[in-house]
Amino acid sequence: DAGVIQSPRHEVTEMGQEVTLRCKPISGHDYLFWYRQTMMRGLELLIYFNNNVPIDDSGMPEDRFSAKMPNASFSTLKIQPSEPRDSAVYFCASTAGTGASYEQYFGPGTRLTVT
Amino acid sequence: GIQVEQSPPDLILQEGANSTLRCNFSDSVNNLQWFHQNPWGQLINLFYIPSGTKQNGRLSATTVATERYSLLYISSSQTTDSGVYFCAVDKGGSEKLVFGKGTKLTVNP
Repeated sequence: DAGVIQSPRHEVTEMGQEVTLRCKPISGHDYLFWYRQTMMRGLELLIYFNNNVPIDDSGMPEDRFSAKMPNASFSTLKIQPSEPRDSAVYFCASTAGTGASYEQYFGPGTRLTVT
Repeated sequence: GIQVEQSPPDLILQEGANSTLRCNFSDSVNNLQWFHQNPWGQLINLFYIPSGTKQNGRLSATTVATERYSLLYISSSQTTDSGVYFCAVDKGGSEKLVFGKGTKLTVNP
């Protein structure tokens, strides 16, 4: 299995621009998670989906952030407009969430820099 | 919400030494995972261990769910073990992982 795939791996953009991060979960996994990692706040959950439906978006910092999962193999996290404080590493993770294991597997992350 | 505390925050070892990392959590959990974040930033799954003991090569982990802690043992450490080790838990009824602040391990040659 290829694991969780994220793109792009690095993104540099100017303040005010729209940014779209992409994620392909592990095939067969029903849950997809978006996390953000910063020095100040560590790793924090932004939103998660079950069977393509958003379940909990309480971690999304503000209305500039939105996430979608149009099908079982693709999700996007969009920031519009971006701000310098959005600079962070964004991780996507997935899990089957059933049976004996809820183990989450993480993608390589997207390092976002907003100037 | 559930609290996760890891200790020590920093650890420096000489190659070949053994170490124990600790994770305390404030409530019963459905899931507990240990991750290693390597110097390139990748989060690597080490153990899924909501209870019991597991071993994988030089690494082993034990979770005592009734006492709300987990331990990660690293034996005969190598420079490639350097990085940050995270413990993450989710409370029963939720799939939301809550991460500790991590233990930064440096193994010197």
